[in-house]
Amino acid sequence: DAGVTQSPTHLIKTRGQQVTLRCSPISGHKSVSWYQQVLGQGPQFIFQYYEKEERGRGNFPDRFSARQFPNYSSELNVNALLLGDSALYLCASSPRTGRNEQFFGPGTRLTVL
Amino acid sequence: GENVEQHPSTLSVQEGDSAVIKCTYSDSASNYFPWYKQELGKRPQLIIDIRSNVGEKKDQRIAVTLNKTAKHFSLHITETQPEDSAVYFCAASNPAGNQFYFGTGTSLTVIP
Repeated sequence: DAGVTQSPTHLIKTRGQQVTLRCSPISGHKSVSWYQQVLGQGPQFIFQYYEKEERGRGNFPDRFSARQFPNYSSELNVNALLLGDSALYLCASSPRTGRNEQFFGPGTRLTVL
Repeated sequence: GENVEQHPSTLSVQEGDSAVIKCTYSDSASNYFPWYKQELGKRPQLIIDIRSNVGEKKDQRIAVTLNKTAKHFSLHITETQPEDSAVYFCAASNPAGNQFYFGTGTSLTVIP
């Protein structure tokens, strides 16, 4: 079985631009969470989606948004990029919300210049 | 919101010795506590977890203990091996499982 997949692997943007990151969960998993991991820090929770609905939100500005599709894949959008948005963006999937075990994808490395 | 603190930030041990990493949490409602291992350039991988209705859990050389009263939990690795070298993260989750809070990580180096 394939694990969680994310695309693209790496991305370079300039300040003010917008970016879309994509995630496909493990087959059969219906919940997707997004995290931001700055170098040397632990992952910071951004969003959780389950059955296409937002079920949890971390302390991130409205420039961050996400959605989940009928096939349970998900997109994370970040508008008006800042230098501080440079980080590894991780996606994690769970069988369902309330089932805590999360399995991470390889991440997308975003660099904002 | 929840606040998870993790200590130490770096840890070096001789091969074969034990390693202990400690975390504290602030929200008494948190009830799920996973530990992740992240090797350089790779994704975090779940290595062990514990729920609040259990005080200790063991899986081969890895064990986790939880003290709900004191709101702290610890990872114990025995008979460490060089391949145990990585960054370890603790985390805490609320009962709904829709909020996760991670510690700042411990960089473990096992010296051959």
